[in-house]
Amino acid sequence: DAGITQSPRHKVTETGTPVTLRCHQTENHRYMYWYRQDPGHGLRLIHYSYGVKDTDKGEVSDGYSVSRSKTEDFLLTLESATSSQTSVYFCAISEGDYQETQYFGPGTRLLVL
Amino acid sequence: SQQGEEDPQALSIQEGENATMNCSYKTSINNLQWYRQNSGRGLVHLILIRSNEREKHSGRLRVTLDTSKKSSSLLITASRAADTASYFCATGGGSNYKLTFGKGTLLTVNP
Repeated sequence: DAGITQSPRHKVTETGTPVTLRCHQTENHRYMYWYRQDPGHGLRLIHYSYGVKDTDKGEVSDGYSVSRSKTEDFLLTLESATSSQTSVYFCAISEGDYQETQYFGPGTRLLVL
Repeated sequence: SQQGEEDPQALSIQEGENATMNCSYKTSINNLQWYRQNSGRGLVHLILIRSNEREKHSGRLRVTLDTSKKSSSLLITASRAADTASYFCATGGGSNYKLTFGKGTLLTVNP
């Protein structure tokens, strides 16, 4: 499992509240990713990081921010959660000569009421 | 937007049969990968094929890539009930560290 953990694993929150999801890895990987998975849409990239304090937007970044102050932690924040952000969120790291292969965490199920 | 698109969306077979899933994509790629996702779990990397390769094997998995048709297929031979899962193709383009995933094929293997 490439030493990736996500917390919390499940969360229920109310519209308008801030939410932070944490991804933690233990193997010093440079690249980390946040995806959301929704029925009918598959897996979509939210943000990714290519080093400490180095992040960039993905396909569906609106309403999300990220931070990476340490190699091992990549945080995803929903500043003001909306019902459309109800989803399963996956963190991933990449490995390989060209950082091609990704390994995923177990996911966080978020319900925004 | 999705780069890869799997076909069929769902496939149901009997244990011991072969399962074939297809992936089509739109733009040029450096590599194509297949991932498996068991219900409620994270994705697991299965196999990677580079754009200059035509076929690759890994255990009971066989992947082909036809860059002229912008398509790939994943064959699982002698399927088992434990192969029941969703299978996703993912394409890597100019930035190899970013992948674009398809929507997946749900494979059900009946015992």
